[in-house]
Amino acid sequence: DAGVIQSPRHEVTEMGQEVTLRCKPISGHNSLFWYRQTMMRGLELLIYFNNNVPIDDSGMPEDRFSAKMPNASFSTLKIQPSEPRDSAVYFCASRSNRGPLVSQPQHFGDGTRLSIL
Amino acid sequence: RKEVEQDPGPFNVPEGATVAFNCTYSNSASQSFFWYRQDCRKEPKLLMSVYSSGNEDGRFTAQLNRASQYISLLIRDSKLSDSATYLCVAKRGSNQFYFGTGTSLTVIP
Repeated sequence: DAGVIQSPRHEVTEMGQEVTLRCKPISGHNSLFWYRQTMMRGLELLIYFNNNVPIDDSGMPEDRFSAKMPNASFSTLKIQPSEPRDSAVYFCASRSNRGPLVSQPQHFGDGTRLSIL
Repeated sequence: RKEVEQDPGPFNVPEGATVAFNCTYSNSASQSFFWYRQDCRKEPKLLMSVYSSGNEDGRFTAQLNRASQYISLLIRDSKLSDSATYLCVAKRGSNQFYFGTGTSLTVIP
């Protein structure tokens, strides 16, 4: 079974440029999460969607960050304009929150390593 | 105060040793708990869920203590391949997952 698919795997760009990260969740999963991971701050939740609707974007650092989920199989995280402090690994994760009592865990993609010069 | 706190380590143990990690969570409304494993430059991967009565998966045992608000992970007979960072996760609500910053384990030959 295909897992969560993220692209690109690596991105190096100059500050001020627009960056778009992409994610395809596991088929059938109805919740999607974007995380950022750095050595200093660990894994931070940026935003999550439930049934394609953004539910909690309180982790989005500032207006330069935006995320969309136009359909159940695709999401983007955009940074415009990018800054060096945005350099991190960005993970997308998905899960199913349907079903009875068992709490379904999240499944992560391979991540996008972003470097802003 | 962070929702989930872990000792970052590092824990350096010899092969065959038993090692235990603890993790505390601050919100008593947390309902579900997990341990994830993250290898260097890789994504977090689910190691095991943590059930109220405790659960075991091979060499790994997870325990939950709701009264004291902590969970633990015990690894018996450590292997070199167990070297990784172990992330503790607490979930509350429908989709609120809180990750600890991870505990680093190195198993030494």
